[in-house]
Amino acid sequence: SQQGEEDPQALSIQEGENATMNCSYKTSINNLQWYRQNSGRGLVHLILIRSNEREKHSGRLRVTLDTSKKSSSLLITASRAADTASYFCATVDTGTASKLTFGTGTRLQVTL
Amino acid sequence: GAVVSQHPSWVICKSGTSVKIECRSLDFQATTMFWYRQFPKQSLMLMATSNEGSKATYEQGVEKDKFLINHASLTLSTLTVTSAHPEDSSFYICSARENRGQPQHFGDGTRLSIL
Repeated sequence: SQQGEEDPQALSIQEGENATMNCSYKTSINNLQWYRQNSGRGLVHLILIRSNEREKHSGRLRVTLDTSKKSSSLLITASRAADTASYFCATVDTGTASKLTFGTGTRLQVTL
Repeated sequence: GAVVSQHPSWVICKSGTSVKIECRSLDFQATTMFWYRQFPKQSLMLMATSNEGSKATYEQGVEKDKFLINHASLTLSTLTVTSAHPEDSSFYICSARENRGQPQHFGDGTRLSIL
């Protein structure tokens, strides 16, 4: 299956700034999820947004979904050094029994 | 809650050796477990999906005789890399899901290095 694209590939910001990552996909989806991966570790589930939802919030995270443009964005507000990680979007395509297809990822570096 | 333990976290072995990686769901029963492979600075690629008590479903291009998957219980799945060679060196990550429609919970991965 074809992966989605994430943009930017890498992002470097200072602590306190907001970070925005974008994800585009090509299929019809059931839902889209965002995950975080610290270097050399597994993935941590951040948020899930269903295809009939447009926006979702969780703490400092805000996710939007535009199914007409087949895109999603993840906004991290008031970033912290501990937010430094790679962030991946993943789609569950319709008819795939909940199989995740991951995007290419954005490496976020938050400096003090 | 929803903790997935993967073991070992790191293994180095000689070419030709078979390596077994375990994935356990510690506080929930996982009807489905997934195995992924990740190359440095790249995304996760799904290798196979396993449902408890049945044969794994492999993704296109993944050799089922090379990567043996067993999901004999609701809390344990194993991936055996048979006769491993240097090109099998990679980061292998498992995930587990309690029921369809619920998020996958990931293990911390296994870094496999074949000399």
